[in-house]
Amino acid sequence: DAGVIQSPRHEVTEMGQEVTLRCKPISGHDYLFWYRQTMMRGLELLIYFNNNVPIDDSGMPEDRFSAKMPNASFSTLKIQPSEPRDSAVYFCASSLHRLAAEQYFGPGTRLTVT
Amino acid sequence: AQSVTQLGSHVSVSEGALVLLRCNYSSSVPPYLFWYVQYPNQGLQLLLKYTTGATLVKGINGFEAEFKKSETSFHLTKPSAHMSDAAEYFCAVSDRGNNNDMRFGAGTRLTVKP
Repeated sequence: DAGVIQSPRHEVTEMGQEVTLRCKPISGHDYLFWYRQTMMRGLELLIYFNNNVPIDDSGMPEDRFSAKMPNASFSTLKIQPSEPRDSAVYFCASSLHRLAAEQYFGPGTRLTVT
Repeated sequence: AQSVTQLGSHVSVSEGALVLLRCNYSSSVPPYLFWYVQYPNQGLQLLLKYTTGATLVKGINGFEAEFKKSETSFHLTKPSAHMSDAAEYFCAVSDRGNNNDMRFGAGTRLTVKP
């Protein structure tokens, strides 16, 4: 299996622009997670899906952030409009639906907002 | 709600020395516990996990961790550090019966000196 795939790997954009991050989970996995990692705040869970349905979005910082999962093999995280404080590494992870299931992380997208 | 605390954001050891990374958890029920490792510019990957049974858990790359309920701890150890062990290590906790609610610690950066 190719693992969790994220694109792009790096994104540089100007403040105010829309940014879309993409994720393809491991085939057969029921859960998909979006995380944000910064030096100041560490690894934060933003939102997660079960069978394409958003379960908990309490970690989404504000309305500028939105996430969708239109099918089992694709998810997006959108920031509109972007701000410099959104600069971070965004990770997507997926897991099976079973107790103590391991989360498999993608390589991350490094976002820089200038 | 469960949480983990990692003592020491940075740990430095000499090559060949013992590695000890500390993790304490808080959970209202017996938890599932995990250690993940993150190498530079990569996503997190599972080192080991504790679910039930034997309290000493062995993982990849010679690492092991011991679940101590009386101390609410799950410290990670390796008898002899290698240069390739330099990375960031995350402890995580998941509530039994809810495999999706995994909470990560702040991480400990391990430096290995030649």
